[in-house]
Amino acid sequence: QVQLQESGPGLVKPSETLSLTCTVSGGSISGYYWTWIRQPAGKGLEWIGRIYSSGSTNYNPSLKSRVTMSADTSKNQFSLKLTSVTAADTAMYYCARGFGGISREFDPWGQGTLVTVSS
Amino acid sequence: QSVLTQPPSVSGAPGQRVTISCTGSSSNIGAGYDVHWYQQLPGTAPQLLIFGNTNRPSGVPDRFSGSKSGTSASLAITGLQAEDETTYYCQSYDSSLSAVVFGGGTKLTVL
Repeated sequence: QVQLQESGPGLVKPSETLSLTCTVSGGSISGYYWTWIRQPAGKGLEWIGRIYSSGSTNYNPSLKSRVTMSADTSKNQFSLKLTSVTAADTAMYYCARGFGGISREFDPWGQGTLVTVSS
Repeated sequence: QSVLTQPPSVSGAPGQRVTISCTGSSSNIGAGYDVHWYQQLPGTAPQLLIFGNTNRPSGVPDRFSGSKSGTSASLAITGLQAEDETTYYCQSYDSSLSAVVFGGGTKLTVL
């Protein structure tokens, strides 16, 4: 079955750019939407945005000015860049697969990667 | 403050039935957008529990069921088991925010 694995630096300095990659195995990224979601410790879930395999994107308006997502079908990966990070961006970051309409569910999810913003 | 409102906690005895509510508005659940539910065990990623308001993915026990009416949705768990003690989240889409939104999460305690 499809499995997702996040990777990237666990520590990012304030004002710098957070960069994460999600590698998909067990299936192709083509034909699906791929999503980033984050969760600060002890708090709820926040949708960051999604990218279709062809490259079209939808971002959360609250983060849109700082977010860029990309997809690489040759590597079966998709990526997240979040610029000008602050301590408020410290969270567990999850990647997940989405389907069709933007109101659809997410399944499966990666195990998550913890990103801490600190100097 | 989450766009979708869930009770912070619910509890029930083993074998009992509990429900978790997810209250939205006319720009999300009330607008006809589907509601999905996730179960998040401690230290793990959320797992899809109910999709499209009422549907269970394969492997999810039929003790779990979902419903939707008006601007709210509910997750019902019957025959409560100790392993059900964890946190549950609802998800939908909000057209005013142009964003996918989640409830704040509900911690279920099995007494």
